[in-house]
Amino acid sequence: SAVISQKPSRDICQRGTSLTIQCQVDSQVTMMFWYRQQPGQSLTLIATANQGSEATYESGFVIDKFPISRPNLTFSTLTVSNMSPEDSSIYLCSVEGVGDTEAFFGQGTRLTVV
Amino acid sequence: LAKTTQPISMDSYEGQEVNITCSHNNIATNDYITWYQQFPSQGPRFIIQGYKTKVTNEVASLFIPADRKSSTLSLPRVSLSDTAVYYCLVGVQYGGATNKLIFGTGTLLAVQP
Repeated sequence: SAVISQKPSRDICQRGTSLTIQCQVDSQVTMMFWYRQQPGQSLTLIATANQGSEATYESGFVIDKFPISRPNLTFSTLTVSNMSPEDSSIYLCSVEGVGDTEAFFGQGTRLTVV
Repeated sequence: LAKTTQPISMDSYEGQEVNITCSHNNIATNDYITWYQQFPSQGPRFIIQGYKTKVTNEVASLFIPADRKSSTLSLPRVSLSDTAVYYCLVGVQYGGATNKLIFGTGTLLAVQP
């Protein structure tokens, strides 16, 4: 299994600013994933983050808006840049446990942009 | 990755068995079927995974017919704490090169006393 810690758990930000969300895993993992969950909606994959390479973004998401860092096998950050109220969502980090058949998720970061 | 279709919501009462069916007509030969549960203000949690026939664990059972175009998650004797959104996913290839999860709309199960 894997235990994931996300920081911050929630934040209220002014439009036009940026917020960096941290994801820490208690074990080394190859791939980490970032999701967005808008109010009352399902999860949407933003990008896949591999250590030592650039993140792979899904359709509709770009690096300028959601830059991702992956400096080592236990840590990743997602930045939400130049925020607008439409970015108000829950952002979740996910990993697959080594040898497991399931994915593990952090508690999420609830972002409100005003 | 195969698309899934589930009921948007279901209602049940405590102590009843709940069956949530998911359609995945375009499932590929190598695809597995996986179900996740999400409580409010939490990330999704793995429930069960299967390829064919029936899989059972301490939480649920998963029934998959021979054609694999649908699957049914069965929750025995639900309680109020089972109120959550249940997601059906297919096309997850654990151990392969790509392990990303693509979530559908999910089913909101509301259990009443």
